[in-house]
Amino acid sequence: DVKVTQSSRYLVKRTGEKVFLECVQDMDHENMFWYRQDPGLGLRLIYFSYDVKMKEKGDIPEGYSVSREKKERFSLILESASTNQTSMYLCASSFQGDYEQYFGPGTRLTVT
Amino acid sequence: GQNIDQPTEMTATEGAIVQINCTYQTSGFNGLFWYQQHAGEAPTFLSYNVLDGLEEKGRFSSFLSRSKGYSYLLLKELQMKDSASYLCAVRCDNTDKLIFGTGTRLQVFP
Repeated sequence: DVKVTQSSRYLVKRTGEKVFLECVQDMDHENMFWYRQDPGLGLRLIYFSYDVKMKEKGDIPEGYSVSREKKERFSLILESASTNQTSMYLCASSFQGDYEQYFGPGTRLTVT
Repeated sequence: GQNIDQPTEMTATEGAIVQINCTYQTSGFNGLFWYQQHAGEAPTFLSYNVLDGLEEKGRFSSFLSRSKGYSYLLLKELQMKDSASYLCAVRCDNTDKLIFGTGTRLQVFP
C-alpha cells in the first residue's frame, strides 16, 4: 500500500513564525506536490517537484518555498506565516507519467 | 486562463443514480480525473479519462467529451457511504500537474 505521511495533523502558529510542513512517501515516487484546500476554492497547487532538488511553481507559490533534498521527502516552508495562510495543506505523490496521485492525510494549519 | 466548473452541492436518495457534471476550459488537455474526498480525509483516485467515451468501474462510471469540454461521474445504486465531495481535475500539459475544480459535495439520504 502506498503511504504518504505528513508531519502533523493540526498545527497552530503565530504570525511571522517560520513554519515547516513535512511530507514523506514510501513508494519511490518521482513526483511530489503541495496543495492547499480552502472552502469554495478547492485544491490549489502551491509547488510541484519532479525529482530531487527540482521544483516548479504551481498556481499560488507566493509566500511559500519548498525543499526536496531526498526523493522520499518534500518540505513546504512558510518563511513568515500570515493569517491568510490558515488552511488545510495536502501533500501528494505519483510516479512520472502515472495518472494517480496519492494524498497524505493533510495538515490543518492555523495562523493566529 | 484555466477554468473547471462543477456544481457545489447535490443531494440524492439511497439506491438512486446521480450524475455529477464537470465542464472545463483549459489551455491544453491531457486527461481528466475524478477523486473522492470524505469529510476530514484525503482525496482518493476514482477514475481517469483521456479519450472520449464511458469508462465503467463497478458502481461508478466516468464519461468524457473532449470536443465539448465536458465530463460526468455517474454513481449507481447509491449508498450512504457515497456521501463525500467529488473533485474533477484536468491535466493540461505533458507534466503531471493537475488543476482541480472546487468539488461537488454529495449528500445521500436514506
